[in-house]
Amino acid sequence: GEDVEQSLFLSVREGDSSVINCTYTDSSSTYLYWYKQEPGAGLQLLTYIFSNMDMKQDQRLTVLLNKKDKHLSLRIADTQTGDSAIYFCAESRGPRGNTGKLIFGQGTTLQVKP
Amino acid sequence: DTEVTQTPKHLVMGMTNKKSLKCEQHMGHRAMYWYKQKAKKPPELMFVYSYEKLSINESVPSRFSPECPNSSLLNLHLHALQPEDSALYLCASSPTGSGANVLTFGAGSRLTVL
Repeated sequence: GEDVEQSLFLSVREGDSSVINCTYTDSSSTYLYWYKQEPGAGLQLLTYIFSNMDMKQDQRLTVLLNKKDKHLSLRIADTQTGDSAIYFCAESRGPRGNTGKLIFGQGTTLQVKP
Repeated sequence: DTEVTQTPKHLVMGMTNKKSLKCEQHMGHRAMYWYKQKAKKPPELMFVYSYEKLSINESVPSRFSPECPNSSLLNLHLHALQPEDSALYLCASSPTGSGANVLTFGAGSRLTVL
């Protein structure tokens, strides 16, 4: 995860927007991903974005991609206490096609206060 | 069925024991993965199987031995482990071919080595 960097902690109030940031290093990555992990659970895919896109919106989630700066962000609108979890960004590396390596950032712990 | 099922959920073993972790999916995915996750760290890739053949081994010690008996099952055989091998072991599967590497993760097997 050392080549994909995220801030470690974010605290917001319920109802506010949360923005989680990520920087990656491999400019050849074709897809970038956001996963969520709740305590004691596996990872759940939230969304992903193709590298030729700048933005993707899915209900409360908005992903922004700045390919020039290798910067990815995840915005959660109207953050709820159930959104409290660890959020990992990830990039694909390795063989062509989708059985290559998925490299994760260190994860950002999102704390939502009532 | 859109799940990846891992058993057991918890495993405690001594350094001389032999045990196995099991993973099953019925989504027709032909790629399956083992990841290791230490506390407060991102998942780290161990092995990738594609069409029941080992395609990636991330220089994992031989005390971990993967096996893919068929397209739905993935095992991880454990022998002579060390206490530092204690971690959450995550299994995942994905479709093959071009496109996004969308992994579906199981809930994990939490391993403690005494």
